[in-house]
Amino acid sequence: NAGVTQTPKFQVLKTGQSMTLQCAQDMNHEYMSWYRQDPGMGLRLIHYSVGAGITDQGEVPNGYNVSRSTTEDFPLRLLSAAPSQTSVYFCASSYSGLGEAFFGQGTRLTVV
Amino acid sequence: AQTVTQSQPEMSVQEAETVTLSCTYDTSENNYYLFWYKQPPSRQMILVIRQEAYKQQNATENRFSVNFQKAAKSFSLKISDSQLGDTAMYFCAFMKSNFGNEKLTFGTGTRLTIIP
Repeated sequence: NAGVTQTPKFQVLKTGQSMTLQCAQDMNHEYMSWYRQDPGMGLRLIHYSVGAGITDQGEVPNGYNVSRSTTEDFPLRLLSAAPSQTSVYFCASSYSGLGEAFFGQGTRLTVV
Repeated sequence: AQTVTQSQPEMSVQEAETVTLSCTYDTSENNYYLFWYKQPPSRQMILVIRQEAYKQQNATENRFSVNFQKAAKSFSLKISDSQLGDTAMYFCAFMKSNFGNEKLTFGTGTRLTIIP
């Protein structure tokens, strides 16, 4: 059972480039979310989805887009990367009402 | 909105000793979950222990236990017989127990070092 899979694990981008961070889960979880982790700030919610076709903004959504066309996949798009988006990104999924989130292994993104 | 506060940025303890990490939170909700996550150098977020707010009994998982004080909004983690593998960043987190609202609010973390 793979759980939550994120790709890539590491990425370096130039300012202004775009990219997509991939997230897939095989647990049939309805809820999926993206967090970013910055030193001294814990993890902060970027976007989340409560099911296919439904997404909403979290605490720090600016500069990021998401879509949820299937239950399994929840990609995070950076439209025009900025140095302020240098961070570690985590995808998580959970089954409503169980009160437990499963995390991917994270993506370390550096924007130069 | 919920907030989670971890007031100890760094802690260290000798191997085999007991250490307690502090966490306080603020919420107007009555039903919720509280979590402690461990993040070792591998970066993986590992669930250590989970507490449901309606349960008065403190959760335990082997060497890990919590002291949950609902009225005081306090949720500390006790690690007994600490081991070198416990060296990691520890995050306290809050989740409302509403269906379809699984958002986690994290504290800023405590970096724990176990000294051989």
